[in-house]
This record gives sequence, C-alpha cells and structure tokens, in this order.
Amino acid sequence: KQEVTQIPAALSVPEGENLVLNCSFTDSAIYNLQWFRQDPGKGLTSLLLIQSSQREQTSGRLNASLDKSSGRSTLYIAASQPGDSATYLCAVSLLYSGGGADGLTFGKGTHLIIQP
Amino acid sequence: DVKVTQSSRYLVKRTGEKVFLECVQDMDHENMFWYRQDPGLGLRLIYFSYDVKMKEKGDIPEGYSVSREKKERFSLILESASTNQTSMYLCASSLGQSNTEAFFGQGTRLTVV
Repeated sequence: KQEVTQIPAALSVPEGENLVLNCSFTDSAIYNLQWFRQDPGKGLTSLLLIQSSQREQTSGRLNASLDKSSGRSTLYIAASQPGDSATYLCAVSLLYSGGGADGLTFGKGTHLIIQP
Repeated sequence: DVKVTQSSRYLVKRTGEKVFLECVQDMDHENMFWYRQDPGLGLRLIYFSYDVKMKEKGDIPEGYSVSREKKERFSLILESASTNQTSMYLCASSLGQSNTEAFFGQGTRLTVV
C-alpha cells in the first residue's frame, strides 16, 4: 500500500528565506505527483502537477522536482512571503486496475509559517 | 477555471440521520472523488467514480455510499450518521486519465451530535 511521508511536519522561517519541503513515497510506480496548498478551514488549491515522465515543474516562485526511482519530491519556495503561510500537501496517484484514475494518496502535510 | 462546488460549508446533523453531501463540477470531468480529512490522519479516500453510475470503494468506505446519476454531480450519503463521522469532507474531480490535475471543492465541515 502506497504511503506518503512529508518532512518536516512544521516549519517557521523569517520572510525572504528560500525553503524546501520534502515528500517521499514508498511505491515508485506512480502516475503523477501533485502539490497542494491548504489554508485553515478551506479546501485544497493545486500548486503544481508533475507527470511521472517529468523531472520538475515551475510556477512563479515555486519549483517542484520528482525523482521516481528514489521515491522523492521536493517543493522549493523562493523568497518566502507571509502570504505563503499555509499547510502544503503532497499527493501521488496510481492507475486504478479498472482503467480509470485512482484516488490520490496524501501525506499529512507541512505546516508552514512565514514570519514577517 | 475549473470549479468544484460543494453544497454546504457547514452542516450539523443528529446521530442516526441520513445525510447527503452534494458536489458539482462544471468542467465535464470524468473522475470524481470524496475524501475526509481528520487531524492527525490526513486526507483519506472514501469513494470515487470514473463514469456515470460507476463507483469504486476507497480506503474507508464503511458507513458511506455514493451516487453518480449525472456526470457533473457526485453525492456522498451517510446512511445513518454517527459521531465518528464528524469531519471535514472534500470533493474533487479530474479530467479522465491518470495524468491529470485534481481540483478540490471548498469542503464541508460536518458535525454529528
């Protein structure tokens, strides 16, 4: 059974720092990996999707990398801002045996606080 | 932009009630999902559907059922609500192949008293 682990569970840094969030998964036979952001009491906002054939994706100050063989992904946030404070979730998907898309398996998230 | 809309942000129901949580997406997505999120346990998949009238069990289907009569709508049903079903419920959809992005609704905070 796929398991996803995120380290650290919580992180507090001063504004302006570059930071890295880590995600690892046990089954390397994934179809894609997705990073989400969740604000308190809200739903999930998709940040980046990395297909299994890709090594990285970038969006603005965010860069996500994927190493399937080692079962790892990182989310790099450049020049952090207080508005980046949120919980960041990593999730992987497998192909359902029936041919459709399987659900996502989530890590428990990294709670990020950016101090002004 | 893809929009996934859940019918309620907050619900309070009594033990034993039948509860319906509704989810609608407006982008003609094939796949729809229901998750619950609990502190310390993270998000867990309850049920998913990859076509109209199709449904598949996720990791924690006990105590729940689903209905997908139309492509855009996926309903989660608690047949007889219990206090251990108090949780945040999140609906999601994705296009139809495995390598596509999942979009989530805003969540429904359900409290069973």
